[in-house]
Amino acid sequence: KNQVEQSPQSLIILEGKNCTLQCNYTVSPFSNLRWYKQDTGRGPVSLTIMTFSENTKSNGRYTATLDADTKQSSLHITASQLSDSASYICVVSGGATNKLIFGTGTLLAVQP
Amino acid sequence: DGGITQSPKYLFRKEGQNVTLSCEQNLNHDAMYWYRQDPGQGLRLIYYSQIVNDFQKGDIAEGYSVSREKKESFPLTVTSAQKNPTAFYLCASSNDDRAYSPLHFGNGTRLTVT
Repeated sequence: KNQVEQSPQSLIILEGKNCTLQCNYTVSPFSNLRWYKQDTGRGPVSLTIMTFSENTKSNGRYTATLDADTKQSSLHITASQLSDSASYICVVSGGATNKLIFGTGTLLAVQP
Repeated sequence: DGGITQSPKYLFRKEGQNVTLSCEQNLNHDAMYWYRQDPGQGLRLIYYSQIVNDFQKGDIAEGYSVSREKKESFPLTVTSAQKNPTAFYLCASSNDDRAYSPLHFGNGTRLTVT
């Protein structure tokens, strides 16, 4: 079954600290992997999109990595800010019908 | 500024009533989508449209209907046949096939049915 699992479910960190969010998937065949940021009560916003051949991609303080062999991705946030408090959603494109499979998200709270 | 506008932000309805959620985009995207978001679950696709006057069912289309009469607009009707309509509804668009292009989301409509 094509699935996307994220960990942890939720995370609390202090402002200025770094953190890493994990995404494991079982989607096959694989097309690409995306990370989205969703503020409370708003729509998701795209952070990165990576294909099979890309190991790492950065967007400001956000760096995503992809290991297509182990089917794992991580999102690293550097020097966290209060505005980073949000849900981070991992999405994998693939499967027999090349659809988007959404993870349930990691809820990050950055405290002062 | 280009983007997707969903309205209203909050919607309250009585059980048994149909309700229509609005979605308008000015990004000139061909493809538009409706997703449903429930607590603890990943987004689920309701309907999508890749071109005007054409649309396809997603994974959870039962109890919903859509139309695509204009490129900019993709309204979703939640009918009384939808068993559990209370949810956060997200409209999205993409420049190309969603499998390869990033989705641009609106800020959602929270529907509560009592």
